[in-house]
Amino acid sequence: QSVLTQPPSVSGAPGQRVTISCTGSSSNIGADYDVHWYQQLPGTAPKLLIYGNRNRPSGVPDRFSGSKSGTSASLAISGLQAEDEADYYCQSFDRSLSAYVFGSGTTVTVL
Amino acid sequence: QITLKESGPTLVKPTQTLTLTCTFSGFSLSTNGVSVGWIRQPPGKALDWLALIYWDDDKWYSPTLKSRLTITKETSKNQVVLTMTNMDFVDTATYYCAHRRAAAQYFDFWGQGTLVTVSS
Repeated sequence: QSVLTQPPSVSGAPGQRVTISCTGSSSNIGADYDVHWYQQLPGTAPKLLIYGNRNRPSGVPDRFSGSKSGTSASLAISGLQAEDEADYYCQSFDRSLSAYVFGSGTTVTVL
Repeated sequence: QITLKESGPTLVKPTQTLTLTCTFSGFSLSTNGVSVGWIRQPPGKALDWLALIYWDDDKWYSPTLKSRLTITKETSKNQVVLTMTNMDFVDTATYYCAHRRAAAQYFDFWGQGTLVTVSS
């Protein structure tokens, strides 16, 4: 049972915009801890996609954007491309657990 | 360029102890604020953080697995070792090690992962 909740799957046609939610609580996202996002392509290791709620590491396209509000965060992918088909995970820190916590993961399918 | 690579057994029996080694390059675990973590992922399931060790030897563990985990470092060898005791079938997973930069709460570089299967 993941501490951070994500929808199991989202889908969209090429070129569309999709969003993935990440819902936490007052002991993690709501406690002002940053949210980070990882992309995991099939059969590969996770790759940092967004850090500090909205920052992109070098090389990550600006089609990917992040936001945070209250006890939730969101990842948006605009101009969806076939290469965006992957699993996406949010991550934060939980002060009650004193642990790094990951979301349940969302599979993005490009129709 | 930061790289990490996990190594260890691919198959362990129930009740055995698992020992995994993370060998890294491109950074030093003697640098102020740097740390290395372990994360695992059961087949078809989500990521699960296990442990973290800092440059100053401070160690953090997942509260649910704390009693079974030990993380250590060999700074001169650029290695971090994770041991997990009393392995069970549910511990079958891909185990990743990852770099965490100073003052960050995320993992910016990951190893390729190593699949460990628990089977009798």
